[in-house]
Amino acid sequence: QLQLQESGPGLVKPSETLSLTCTVSGGSVSSDDYFWGWIRQPPGKGLEWIASFYYGGNTYYNPSLKSRVTLPVDTSRNRFSLNLTSVTAADTAVYYCARLVIYAYSSGWYFDSWGQGTLVAVSS
Amino acid sequence: QSALTQPASVSGSPGQSITISCTGTSSDVGGYDYVSWYQQRPGKAPKLMIYEVSNRPSGVSNRFSGSKSGSTASLTISGLQAEDEADYFCSSYRSNTTVVFGGGTKLTVL
Repeated sequence: QLQLQESGPGLVKPSETLSLTCTVSGGSVSSDDYFWGWIRQPPGKGLEWIASFYYGGNTYYNPSLKSRVTLPVDTSRNRFSLNLTSVTAADTAVYYCARLVIYAYSSGWYFDSWGQGTLVAVSS
Repeated sequence: QSALTQPASVSGSPGQSITISCTGTSSDVGGYDYVSWYQQRPGKAPKLMIYEVSNRPSGVSNRFSGSKSGSTASLTISGLQAEDEADYFCSSYRSNTTVVFGGGTKLTVL
């Protein structure tokens, strides 16, 4: 059974870089069949997609966040990360990692498995 | 990028049916059959309920159904139960390989 688990600091200072890791079990981040990525949810608000990647292939970004986002991958530990630079209070949110299903090159586009989420607050 | 439009709240009594709408544009909901719906209970991660407009994942009750007309997608829950009380979010593929979510709808079971 696929499981995703987020980890990282719960507090980040303004202007610094937010770094989170998603460890995957029951599946492989280097799979040919799936994309992996991040979604966030500010307290009491809706969901916002951040970015998703396909190992050895494309990475897709939310245009409003693209300039601040990188998604490193560590296949030896079967995990991937989110680095979000120059954070402000507006980046305070619960961050989820999730598997994105895209097949036949352009069909699907749904998240079928999610981590439990981790709250990150941006404050001095 | 602007979110898809959902009603902030809907309510219904046990046994009734309710419908939640999700309105977008020709660049997302209206242009592609890649609309999905997620249920989120308080303090929990979202759970996939419907994908590609009207498909149910294994394990999701057949009381949940999805449809689309033009640029508006809909989630219908029939035979409403207390356990259905949650927030519901729609999502769609949008042109230029992006994903957009709706603002969410709070379902109250009276």
